[in-house]
Amino acid sequence: DAGVTQSPTHLIKTRGQQVTLRCSPKSGHDTVSWYQQALGQGPQFIFQYYEEEERQRGNFPDRFSGHQFPNYSSELNVNALLLGDSALYLCASSPGLAGWSDTQYFGPGTRLTVL
Amino acid sequence: QQQVKQSPQSLIVQKGGIPIINCAYENTAFDYFPWYQQFPGKGPALLIAIRPDVSEKKEGRFTISFNKSAKQFSLHIMDSQPGDSATYFCAASRRDYKLSFGAGTTVTVRA
Repeated sequence: DAGVTQSPTHLIKTRGQQVTLRCSPKSGHDTVSWYQQALGQGPQFIFQYYEEEERQRGNFPDRFSGHQFPNYSSELNVNALLLGDSALYLCASSPGLAGWSDTQYFGPGTRLTVL
Repeated sequence: QQQVKQSPQSLIVQKGGIPIINCAYENTAFDYFPWYQQFPGKGPALLIAIRPDVSEKKEGRFTISFNKSAKQFSLHIMDSQPGDSATYFCAASRRDYKLSFGAGTTVTVRA
């Protein structure tokens, strides 16, 4: 059983560009959350998707947007990249908001570098 | 504003020692408190979690102590091993999977 997978592993972009990161949740999970982890810091919640809708959002600008597909996979899009967007982007999946469980599994992350 | 404050930033212990990491929170609506372990280049992995109706929870060599009145909780790693060297994060949430993380503690266990 594959865990949470993310692609790509690493990405280098320049300021002003746009980027799309992808996440496939663990089998049986339908809720996907995205986090940004700057170097040497704890992950910061970006937003969460459930039933193809954004259910919760952290304190991130509208440049950060996302999508969830019918198969529960998700994308994170960042427009007009800034140097400060350089970070590890983590995807986490969980069994669902309807039947809350302790388990939330993280993927290995996508390392984004903005030059 | 950081909703969960974690200390120390780093610590070094000898093999067999007991690293202790402390966290404090403000939001009394939090009712789920997990600890995650992260190795370099990897995503965080759930280690152990506790809910506020329990004052202590043990899983293997890892123990969480929880003080609801003080709004504090801590992680103890018993009989620490070099393989425990990692960054540890405390976190808190309501039952909605929106985790608020501490800043992390880098633990080094020397052989």
